[in-house]
Amino acid sequence: ETGVTQTPRHLVMGMTNKKSLKCEQHLGHNAMYWYKQSAKKPLELMFVYSLEERVENNSVPSRFSPECPNSSHLFLHLHTLQPEDSALYLCASSQGEGFYEQYFGPGTRLTVT
Amino acid sequence: QKEVEQDPGPLSVPEGAIVSLNCTYSNSAFQYFMWYRQYSRKGPELLMYTYSSGNKEDGRFTAQVDKSSKYISLFIRDSQPSDSATYLCAMSLILTGGGNKLTFGTGTQLKVEL
Repeated sequence: ETGVTQTPRHLVMGMTNKKSLKCEQHLGHNAMYWYKQSAKKPLELMFVYSLEERVENNSVPSRFSPECPNSSHLFLHLHTLQPEDSALYLCASSQGEGFYEQYFGPGTRLTVT
Repeated sequence: QKEVEQDPGPLSVPEGAIVSLNCTYSNSAFQYFMWYRQYSRKGPELLMYTYSSGNKEDGRFTAQVDKSSKYISLFIRDSQPSDSATYLCAMSLILTGGGNKLTFGTGTQLKVEL
């Protein structure tokens, strides 16, 4: 595997379900990010982790819960979502200090029914 | 007012045309200015980034930043059908805890026709 991988690629869940999105980066980076991409809206930053510590939470509702167990893995735990949470969820990684390019995964297409 | 404004298009041009894509922004604290390209069913990939006002060229692509007007542009020369994608402008703030925070425009959908 190379780059940034995300699983699953597609997910359909009911509003009462609990599911998790997984991201893995194979680039030796130490910062990881979750973004949400909805139709007709800009990509929105949700969370930033640097060296496994959360450094940014962009006012995301608590039904989204991130976890970063090590610098290569990032999870987004989902529970009691709403239909408006249906979107493409993108993971990215970069080197940590200063400005570095963020490399994106292919995303998980989430549909909440 | 959105922090970053970008015309969503769609923009359709003939092959070989020069394409001009633009964004304006309101936050003067932004430090780096980027253009990403996103193909259908893929994640965005970085095309170019700049730090200061002026032009930066890479092959058929030229990125231009005017910090005094808070305006950035991407020019594509000799456009090809393979350039058909959504182009996203993004602005960066470096985070004190590590990493950097990107604020994106909505993206402009470009189609280059044969």
